[in-house]
Amino acid sequence: QSALTQPRSVSGSPGQSVTISCTGTSSDVGGYNYVSWYQQHPGKAPKLMIYDVSKRPSGVPDRFSGSKSGNTASLTISGLQAEDEADYYCCSYAGTVVFGGGTKLTVL
Amino acid sequence: QVQLQESGPGLVKPSETLSLTCAVSGYSISSGYYWGWIRQPPGKGLEWIGSIYHSGSTYYNPSLKSRVTISVDTSKNQFSLKLSSVTAADTAVYYCARLRTFLDYWGQGTLVTVSS
Repeated sequence: QSALTQPRSVSGSPGQSVTISCTGTSSDVGGYNYVSWYQQHPGKAPKLMIYDVSKRPSGVPDRFSGSKSGNTASLTISGLQAEDEADYYCCSYAGTVVFGGGTKLTVL
Repeated sequence: QVQLQESGPGLVKPSETLSLTCAVSGYSISSGYYWGWIRQPPGKGLEWIGSIYHSGSTYYNPSLKSRVTISVDTSKNQFSLKLSSVTAADTAVYYCARLRTFLDYWGQGTLVTVSS
């Protein structure tokens, strides 16, 4: 059970869009539509942003969207805002759970 | 509103057993779903430890399986984590969470430091 692969960091200016990738295998990301994404601000617990690849929980802005192609899932944040600056983690569920290594999003 | 709260010692000696409890309110564990433990070493990413169903069925991270025991007490609406033979590498913030095909409710986390 290896960690999913995410870029260490991404950045964008306010108003722009950024995409964070999450690459796994056919045993996790590619095999099930159970990819979720979490936002974590410093010193806080992770917050669910996307579940089941592309569904948004109530209260999460529609600026956040998710998708998947093959063994790679993606989180896109459009209309970047300062408060989006945080760490983002992808996660795949298949009975067991595996996380990505995390991506630090910097809003320039 | 579902709420989870971790509790337990903040300091554990090397080679001893780390024990934490997660108290759940606003939802009965017996009603369903898995309940899990996740940890995060300082400055590092999230690591899934394992999860348990109200029946006692468990899934563990293979890399920790030999040292982990997760149990549930439905009468107290809580579940617990035991991690044996700890070392400094087990120093982390430990979170409990409700697990569906995603983790929707999380505790605030508790820092456990392994040190003599």
